[in-house]
Amino acid sequence: GQNIDQPTEMTATEGAIVQINCTYQTSGFNGLFWYQQHAGEAPTFLSYNVLDGLEEKGRFSSFLSRSKGYSYLLLKELQMKDSASYLCAALDSNYQLIWGAGTKLIIKP
Amino acid sequence: GAVVSQHPSWVICKSGTSVKIECRSLDFQATTMFWYRQFPKQSLMLMATSNEGSKATYEQGVEKDKFLINHASLTLSTLTVTSAHPEDSSFYICSARGGEADIQYFGAGTRLSVL
Repeated sequence: GQNIDQPTEMTATEGAIVQINCTYQTSGFNGLFWYQQHAGEAPTFLSYNVLDGLEEKGRFSSFLSRSKGYSYLLLKELQMKDSASYLCAALDSNYQLIWGAGTKLIIKP
Repeated sequence: GAVVSQHPSWVICKSGTSVKIECRSLDFQATTMFWYRQFPKQSLMLMATSNEGSKATYEQGVEKDKFLINHASLTLSTLTVTSAHPEDSSFYICSARGGEADIQYFGAGTRLSVL
């Protein structure tokens, strides 16, 4: 079957760095997405990786290893507003998004 | 990024009435649109996938006669919750796929409360 695994919850300190891991098993693979979702709001797109390696976008970076079925989202210089759920999603061979349950990130002062 | 507009953002209705939610891709043509439902503190749950001009594909357990989806154009899809009941109260989110890299962009969501 198809499956996405990511931690349920993580806690980090303001100003620090946090890495949110995601492993996936899908029927075929056409890319890996990360979305941010604040409580009570819809998800917003953060990043898309289809090739191996690191994609950097400001304070956020996303990494993909296709051979390992593994991705991570790296958040630097954490701010209180980064407190949110982070959703990992893989695009399968039918171009359907398979969603993880999300990682709730709690930022402490 | 691309913009997906979803209206209304909040609706309160009486039990037994129908509610229509609109989803528009404003600056790109969406080959596929998706409708999700999310209960508090739970994951996104895909309800249905719709392609322009064809019938929507519903996920298992989602009643197609209760959740009517119309995808009349490449920029507009609607979800109608028919004969709404309190258990239909939820956060409904649409998304549209298209544009660069076939990314799914989300609307702001519609919070439905059925009294």
